[in-house]
Amino acid sequence: SQQGEEDPQALSIQEGENATMNCSYKTSINNLQWYRQNSGRGLVHLILIRSNEREKHSGRLRVTLDTSKKSSSLLITASRAADTASYFCATGGNAGNNRKLIWGLGTSLAVNP
Amino acid sequence: NAGVTQTPKFQVLKTGQSMTLQCAQDMNHNSMYWYRQDPGMGLRLIYYSASEGTTDKGEVPNGYNVSRLNKREFSLRLESAAPSQTSVYFCASSGQGATEKLFFGSGTQLSVL
Repeated sequence: SQQGEEDPQALSIQEGENATMNCSYKTSINNLQWYRQNSGRGLVHLILIRSNEREKHSGRLRVTLDTSKKSSSLLITASRAADTASYFCATGGNAGNNRKLIWGLGTSLAVNP
Repeated sequence: NAGVTQTPKFQVLKTGQSMTLQCAQDMNHNSMYWYRQDPGMGLRLIYYSASEGTTDKGEVPNGYNVSRLNKREFSLRLESAAPSQTSVYFCASSGQGATEKLFFGSGTQLSVL
């Protein structure tokens, strides 16, 4: 079963703009992760944020986690055409199931040059 | 450093045929996973191996078998392929546990006619 729900399902922006996508989940978690998938390729890990963290940065990426709202957001600043991909959130250490990640359905991001 | 290597990249089977998808990782990871990815369904876990010598069922194990040949290699076998097994298959590995960062292979696109 899918726990994470990404929002929006699809996003189209111009190069240089910021892109924000959201992930909501249902149970308590130990961590939340974001992955990128370019068309026809495997998933690549972007960032992991633990339940006791509120914000994390990695280059142009900023992830926030609000455990009270059971939600996370991924912000990509100054987007580039190369950021065009699908982005997935996955939650780990879920209550009642700490043995695997639970995945969302993804946000498809198109960055237009 | 190749990471996670999957073969083949593409395969077309007829209903009832069998095949084995191969996966190898060179990161000395204990845990390995097989996922399938279908449009609108997200990533679903087929089988996983927490360590060499152990395998466990995931969400959608029916119609599949796995072998953890050694620490590096984890294969997925379809004994009698069905059209419902048409999908993109991903192998992944993790060095820190089932709910930590995953490293993915580039995928196998399988069509069952």
